[in-house]
Amino acid sequence: AQKITQTQPGMFVQEKEAVTLDCTYDTSDQSYGLFWYKQPSSGEMIFLIYQGSYDEQNATEGRYSLNFQKARKSANLVISASQLGDSAMYFCAMREYSGGSNYKLTFGKGTLLTVNP
Amino acid sequence: NAGVTQTPKFRVLKTGQSMTLLCAQDMNHEYMYWYRQDPGMGLRLIHYSVGEGTTAKGEVPDGYNVSRLKKQNFLLGLESAAPSQTSVYFCASSYNSGSTQYFGPGTRLTVL
Repeated sequence: AQKITQTQPGMFVQEKEAVTLDCTYDTSDQSYGLFWYKQPSSGEMIFLIYQGSYDEQNATEGRYSLNFQKARKSANLVISASQLGDSAMYFCAMREYSGGSNYKLTFGKGTLLTVNP
Repeated sequence: NAGVTQTPKFRVLKTGQSMTLLCAQDMNHEYMYWYRQDPGMGLRLIHYSVGEGTTAKGEVPDGYNVSRLKKQNFLLGLESAAPSQTSVYFCASSYNSGSTQYFGPGTRLTVL
């Protein structure tokens, strides 16, 4: 079974509108972390936002927010007021314990977001 | 503040050739990682290091070797390149195992 599932291979949104990118995860750990990264066409991986499993409030970073629903094991990324520069591939990732003092980061397959003018 | 840098940015190899990818970070991070990114596969961990002089295998280590002789550098080697190793390679670093990983710009490798 996939650890991280991003069900939307591609999404389209109009400039200035909000968009939600879906991410569901599978873990039996109580302590874990969820990350979103952005990969524009230039190729670099840019960290956007983090949510810890014990965080009671949803994480926010500027126009990015993470809609964390623990019981549903979902960690959707919400981008408000989309901009043309938001067009990129977005990856959801989960950090979970892997033994000793180590943690493992597992990535989903990504969602390609296109913002239309 | 350079963050994480990778050299080279692009490389074309012939099957059987060897090469080394260099990753450097200036954030004094203990942990460093090598990933590969293939279409439709997301990122997969090749090897990682929990500190100077230590390395460990990740999800897809076969065909690769790594070394961490200095804290700020993490090298990824391909001894005998194969077309299946055509990919984009990313290096990342983090302060500790559980903290956010910051990525380099990537190296696009083609093996003919």
